[in-house]
Amino acid sequence: DTEVTQTPKHLVMGMTNKKSLKCEQHMGHRAMYWYKQKAKKPPELMFVYSYEKLSINESVPSRFSPECPNSSLLNLHLHALQPEDSALYLCASSQDRGGAGVNNEQFFGPGTRLTVL
Amino acid sequence: GNSVTQMEGPVTLSEEAFLTINCTYTATGYPSLFWYVQYPGEGLQLLLKATKADDKGSNKGFEATYRKETTSFHLEKGSVQVSDSAVYFCALSELGGGYNKLIFGAGTRLAVHP
Repeated sequence: DTEVTQTPKHLVMGMTNKKSLKCEQHMGHRAMYWYKQKAKKPPELMFVYSYEKLSINESVPSRFSPECPNSSLLNLHLHALQPEDSALYLCASSQDRGGAGVNNEQFFGPGTRLTVL
Repeated sequence: GNSVTQMEGPVTLSEEAFLTINCTYTATGYPSLFWYVQYPGEGLQLLLKATKADDKGSNKGFEATYRKETTSFHLEKGSVQVSDSAVYFCALSELGGGYNKLIFGAGTRLAVHP
């Protein structure tokens, strides 16, 4: 299985709602990532988990709360979002092989298209 | 810090034309280099990669060579198809503890017409 799955595919929420995005991989990867992508822009890194511990938080507002319950699953909890948070949210995973240039590509899921009203 | 610069698009070509998308990078050390492709409404797919100087990555008729002397990783295809219409991202990888951080270029939109 070389796939990263994300649910839901689309999500519409109001500014007072609480919702969660889910990401799953069964490739044995120990690093998982959340990205935000606005239209016509490259993905922006939000969070990195390595061995189920948060390694990077790119100064993301606290209304986004990541969670890594186990090595295969990554969640992004959303609360009190703003319309400018509307974007495509991408999850990715990668192996940890250490050393420069060894099998360190990231595998991306199809994304969740989020609209905040 | 590390960075990636891509040629601005959109690039518009006729079917069977030759494609070049330029990518240059600034990095300390010897990062891995990648081309990702994003089709409309989808996530990113790895197109090809190179992990050291003079490596050539290739896939689906696309090629790119890791040129350390010119810090470049230009994407080429000899004959594009309408199905190649997508956004192409050049990226380099910064290694961390058990993870890697991708630094993306701005992306180049390719439109291929019949």
